[in-house]
Amino acid sequence: KAGVTQTPRYLIKTRGQQVTLSCSPISGHRSVSWYQQTPGQGLQFLFEYFSETQRNKGNFPGRFSGRQFSNSRSEMNVSTLELGDSALYLCASSTVTGWNSPLHFGNGTRLTVT
Amino acid sequence: AQSVTQLGSHVSVSEGALVLLRCNYSSSVPPYLFWYVQYPNQGLQLLLKYTSAATLVKGINGFEAEFKKSETSFHLTKPSAHMSDAAEYFCAVSDHGQGAQKLVFGQGTRLTINP
Repeated sequence: KAGVTQTPRYLIKTRGQQVTLSCSPISGHRSVSWYQQTPGQGLQFLFEYFSETQRNKGNFPGRFSGRQFSNSRSEMNVSTLELGDSALYLCASSTVTGWNSPLHFGNGTRLTVT
Repeated sequence: AQSVTQLGSHVSVSEGALVLLRCNYSSSVPPYLFWYVQYPNQGLQLLLKYTSAATLVKGINGFEAEFKKSETSFHLTKPSAHMSDAAEYFCAVSDHGQGAQKLVFGQGTRLTINP
């Protein structure tokens, strides 16, 4: 079974631009979560989508948004990019939402904002 | 709010030696606890999880962790280190009501194995 696929792997953007990252979950997984990983702040939860609905949201500004499609694929969008948005963005999927459904992570998209 | 503290950002052990990575949690309700491993240029992989069924949890690759409520700890151990264990390890916590998707991670411990 294929793992979580994130595209693109690397992205370079300029401050003020916007960016869209894509995530295809493991087949049959209906929950998709997004995390930001930086050297300074570590791993931080962005949001979780389940059945096309945002179930949970982390403490990030409104510039960060996401959505999930009917096939469970998910996208996250960051508008008006800032230098501090440079990070590894990790997508993770799970079969359902709940305690007995741990996360399976993709290899991430590394975003560099210049 | 829940939080996780990993003691030691870097741990170095010799091949064949005991691996001990420390994790202490703070949670207002009974927690779910996880250990994840991250190899260079990859995402995170689940090593093991504690969900109150048993205090000693066995995971993949020979790792195990013991939940100690009195010490609010969930330390990760492996009896004999292998070169392939070199990676970064993250402890994470989730409140019961939040499921296993919204996790609070520790800052990570980078494990180095000396030949």
